[in-house]
Amino acid sequence: NAGVTQTPKFRILKIGQSMTLQCAQDMNHNYMYWYRQDPGMGLKLIYYSVGAGITDKGEVPNGYNVSRSTTEDFPLRLELAAPSQTSVYFCASSYGTGVTGELFFGEGSRLTVL
Amino acid sequence: LAKTTQPISMDSYEGQEVNITCSHNNIATNDYITWYQQFPSQGPRFIIQGYKTKVTNEVASLFIPADRKSSTLSLPRVSLSDTAVYYCLVGEGNTGFQKLVFGTGTRLLVSP
Repeated sequence: NAGVTQTPKFRILKIGQSMTLQCAQDMNHNYMYWYRQDPGMGLKLIYYSVGAGITDKGEVPNGYNVSRSTTEDFPLRLELAAPSQTSVYFCASSYGTGVTGELFFGEGSRLTVL
Repeated sequence: LAKTTQPISMDSYEGQEVNITCSHNNIATNDYITWYQQFPSQGPRFIIQGYKTKVTNEVASLFIPADRKSSTLSLPRVSLSDTAVYYCLVGEGNTGFQKLVFGTGTRLLVSP
């Protein structure tokens, strides 16, 4: 069982560069989430999706974009990388909410912007 | 807007019971309360979930009073490997459209 797979695991970007963090899940989950976690801090919700074609902003969406063209994939796009986006990014998915809402997390993608 | 408040840190010793309380005064009627554990350099892992009263599984118990404005995660007989950050999470948003926002978490340190 692959679960939630994130790529790349590590990446260094220069200021102003763009990149996409990939997230894929094989559990047929409807809900997918992107969080970022700065060193020593909690997780901040960037974007989330409740199904293919539907996305919405979380707490800290500025500087990011997402799409959800399939149930399995939920890529996160950074258009103009800034040092403030240096963080660990976690993708998560769940079957639903409420009693079915257990979040399954990927291993994270560590991004450094220099 | 549902928001959680937890103690920043707690210390304990091996073999003791640890209780971590989370305050969520604005919890909505349809929200469930979920606790996650996170080790360094890993994503959070589900521990337990509940709606009201008491829930118990093989690793923890969750106590939720009738007003549901708080909840307490109870870890029986902790070991060194329970050193981690624990997050309380409640759903946020309209029914069926949940924006899951994490709080600051509680950093638990278990000593020998």
